[in-house]
Amino acid sequence: DAGVIQSPRHEVTEMGQEVTLRCKPISGHNSLFWYRQTMMRGLELLIYFNNNVPIDDSGMPEDRFSAKMPNASFSTLKIQPSEPRDSAVYFCASSLAESSYNEQFFGPGTRLTVL
Amino acid sequence: GQQVMQIPQYQHVQEGEDFTTYCNSSTTLSNIQWYKQRPGGHPVFLIQLVKSGEVKKQKRLTFQFGEAKKNSSLHITATQTTDVGTYFCAGYNTDKLIFGTGTRLQVFP
Repeated sequence: DAGVIQSPRHEVTEMGQEVTLRCKPISGHNSLFWYRQTMMRGLELLIYFNNNVPIDDSGMPEDRFSAKMPNASFSTLKIQPSEPRDSAVYFCASSLAESSYNEQFFGPGTRLTVL
Repeated sequence: GQQVMQIPQYQHVQEGEDFTTYCNSSTTLSNIQWYKQRPGGHPVFLIQLVKSGEVKKQKRLTFQFGEAKKNSSLHITATQTTDVGTYFCAGYNTDKLIFGTGTRLQVFP
C-alpha cells in the first residue's frame, strides 16, 4: 500500500493566488482529515469527511478555505485568495472509521509558503 | 472547547537518560492515542489506550492512561538518538480526534 498521497509536496506562491492541495487516501479508508501545522498553533484539524461527506468544518479558518471530496479516493483543499499567514504544512490523513476509535494515517504533507 | 495540553513543551536529554511527557485534557476522553513526528516528517501512530488506568509497553516506551481518563503519560527509558522528534497525544471528543500541543524531544549523543 502506498499510504496517503499528497501533492504537491512543496508550494510557493504569491499572496492573492489560488492554491489547491490534493490528497489520495489509503484505499478502503472511509474517513479523511485535513490538518494544518504551524509552530505557533501546532496541529489543527481543519475539516474531516466520512464517506465523502463533510462532517465537521469548524476548524476551517475562514471563507477563503474550502475542501471537497468528490469520491472516495480524492480530496482537495483550496485557498483562494492565499495570504502570507496561510504559510504552514498541510497534512491529509485517513482512517477506517468502523468506530470512532481508529488510528489515523498521515500523508507526507504539503509545505505551503505564501509570499 | 476541549483542550489537550502537554508538558513539557521541549525536553533536551543526554542519550541514555529517561524522558517523560505528560498529557492533560480538559474533558474526559473516550480513549487516548499517541503519535510521533520525526523532524521534517509526518505524525505516525504509536499506540491507543482505552481503559481507565491502562498501561502498555513498546520496548523502551511505556504508555499510561489515567484513572479518570483525563490524563496520560509516555515514558521512554534510556533514550536513544532515534527517539528524537515530537510526541503528540490525541484524545477523542465524541467523534473528533483532538491533538495535544506536543513535546519536542532532543537527544544529545
